[in-house]
Amino acid sequence: DADVTQTPRNRITKTGKRIMLECSQTKGHDRMYWYRQDPGLGLRLIYYSFDVKDINKGEISDGYSVSRQAQAKFSLSLESAIPNQTALYFCATSEGQGDGYTFGSGTRLTVV
Amino acid sequence: KNEVEQSPQNLTAQEGEFITINCSYSVGISALHWLQQHPGGGIVSLFMLSSGKKKHGRLIATINIQEKHSSLHITASHPRDSAVYICAVRAGAQKLVFGQGTRLTINP
Repeated sequence: DADVTQTPRNRITKTGKRIMLECSQTKGHDRMYWYRQDPGLGLRLIYYSFDVKDINKGEISDGYSVSRQAQAKFSLSLESAIPNQTALYFCATSEGQGDGYTFGSGTRLTVV
Repeated sequence: KNEVEQSPQNLTAQEGEFITINCSYSVGISALHWLQQHPGGGIVSLFMLSSGKKKHGRLIATINIQEKHSSLHITASHPRDSAVYICAVRAGAQKLVFGQGTRLTINP
């Protein structure tokens, strides 16, 4: 099993629908992150969490919400999906500030 | 101007060639990461470095803190090295700033 698992891998949804992207990890890391990747742009941080009771907005949090259900689970929700949220979404974990990151395989989301 | 700039944006080479990808940044950093993104989309961490040089197999990463510059080298390149290589810098407690990536294609 992968260290960081994202589900679904691919999703097509309609404008206005609520959708949840899920991330689970077996690394035992406290820190979890959600990023989005758009063509021609670097990854951008949506939300991050340093432990179960700690949730923080990233640089592009508008239109998104998150839930840290447990140390191992961090979900990203789009309350009302819009086409410009079409992107590749990555979940990542790290153990601490000075440590490397482990990324999930990504979720390709298309909003039509 | 982006805080992290990579060059070139695209690179095509023949198998066996020595490859260099460059990363320049404009902010103070505590560490720099090199990542590899496979054609299927998954991202793998290659290196994290804050000074000097690291080597793993055919890959070598260097960083010059004073010049705010890092390079990723691939020796004896192979078609399986074809991927997007991403530079990211840690510019704060929680923040990674990513470059746009360099798309590398190695032809047999």
